[in-house]
Amino acid sequence: KNEVEQSPQNLTAQEGEFITINCSYSVGISALHWLQQHPGGGIVSLFMLSSGKKKHGRLIATINIQEKHSSLHITASHPRDSAVYICAATYYNFNKFYFGSGTKLNVKP
Amino acid sequence: DGGITQSPKYLFRKEGQNVTLSCEQNLNHDAMYWYRQDPGQGLRLIYYSQIVNDFQKGDIAEGYSVSREKKESFPLTVTSAQKNPTAFYLCASSIRAGSYEQYFGPGTRLTVT
Repeated sequence: KNEVEQSPQNLTAQEGEFITINCSYSVGISALHWLQQHPGGGIVSLFMLSSGKKKHGRLIATINIQEKHSSLHITASHPRDSAVYICAATYYNFNKFYFGSGTKLNVKP
Repeated sequence: DGGITQSPKYLFRKEGQNVTLSCEQNLNHDAMYWYRQDPGQGLRLIYYSQIVNDFQKGDIAEGYSVSREKKESFPLTVTSAQKNPTAFYLCASSIRAGSYEQYFGPGTRLTVT
């Protein structure tokens, strides 16, 4: 079954804290995606990865193929990072995304 | 500049009426998708299209219909058969179907009373 599970569901942090959001998935993914949904509803793609690690500014995404696990890290968190973070997997031979339920992050000043 | 647009941002309809949500992209993408999001829930796939004049049902297609007559356009009709149409609807596109980055529109919030 092509499930994607995220944790935690909700996360509150103080400005400056290091944040980790976790995602686990089934075997045989072709790629793992991290998305950010702003309070207004718009969604942007942050990362797409199939191995290793990617970094963009204060955001870092890692994936461990053997453990079927990915993490999204935010360093030096800021209130503007407050959003819902969604992981999604694409599997070989399936032309669609399988979405996690999202992690709602609130960074307090 | 290139992007994906949805209109309108907010839409109000009476129960029993069909309503069509617009989605347009100028990214020259082959694949387009429609998702539904309910409060506190994840994205669910309604329909997707891999290429012009072709589309497939997603996980929750009942009560919805789509067309893909042009590469740039993928309108979604919410019919009166959809039992709970009030939701946030997101359109997305990708260069091809499968493991490619999806680009999302701003969404349309539909309220049916």
